[in-house]
Amino acid sequence: GAGVSQSPSNKVTEKGKDVELRCDPISGHTALYWYRQSLGQGLEFLIYFQGNSAPDKSGLPSDRFSAERTGGSVSTLTIQRTQQEDSAVYLCASSFAGFWYGYTFGSGTRLTVV
Amino acid sequence: DAKTTQPPSMDCAEGRAANLPCNHSTISGNEYVYWYRQIHSQGPQYIIHGLKNNETNEMASLIITEDRKSSTLILPHATLRDTAVYYCIVSTNSGGSNYKLTFGKGTLLTVNP
Repeated sequence: GAGVSQSPSNKVTEKGKDVELRCDPISGHTALYWYRQSLGQGLEFLIYFQGNSAPDKSGLPSDRFSAERTGGSVSTLTIQRTQQEDSAVYLCASSFAGFWYGYTFGSGTRLTVV
Repeated sequence: DAKTTQPPSMDCAEGRAANLPCNHSTISGNEYVYWYRQIHSQGPQYIIHGLKNNETNEMASLIITEDRKSSTLILPHATLRDTAVYYCIVSTNSGGSNYKLTFGKGTLLTVNP
């Protein structure tokens, strides 16, 4: 497709379970970003991948959060032992190297931890 | 630390121009002004960006004051589909950690019929 694709669009999980969120970036975009948006809040940076460089994980809120990007394309954000405060919309974006070209965001995954 | 200040909400009549202000008094010489918007249940969408000069594209116009301490995003003929949260962001366009965009709470623009 032409846009950034995220799956699932909605996920309800029980507290303590692990979840995996997937992001398919736009073909050719070397940079990939994960953000989190809690209800009524702005976007919170989580992690940044650029090509083969080491990712910037400085925004991950705890060691329960991890992300990988395989083959420079698809990315998976994993949250282990989910907590209720993890409930949010998780947004993925991709771009060409550098910010000049602007991000293209996916529609996000709405995660609800019950 | 917030780099930009925007009003929390604004209303606009359909067909009229929507003028969304943003204050960025601490902007650095190499920082650009970017505007994104987020329609309900969607990811943010890039609108426009500029450094010093006014910019225009098919979506909007961006007016930056001469001292660059504030800017205005103009939607010339607002439609109901323009109802969204509009984010004003300042960032460099290369190097460093510019990719860590700081999205504040933005301005909720409501276009009324």
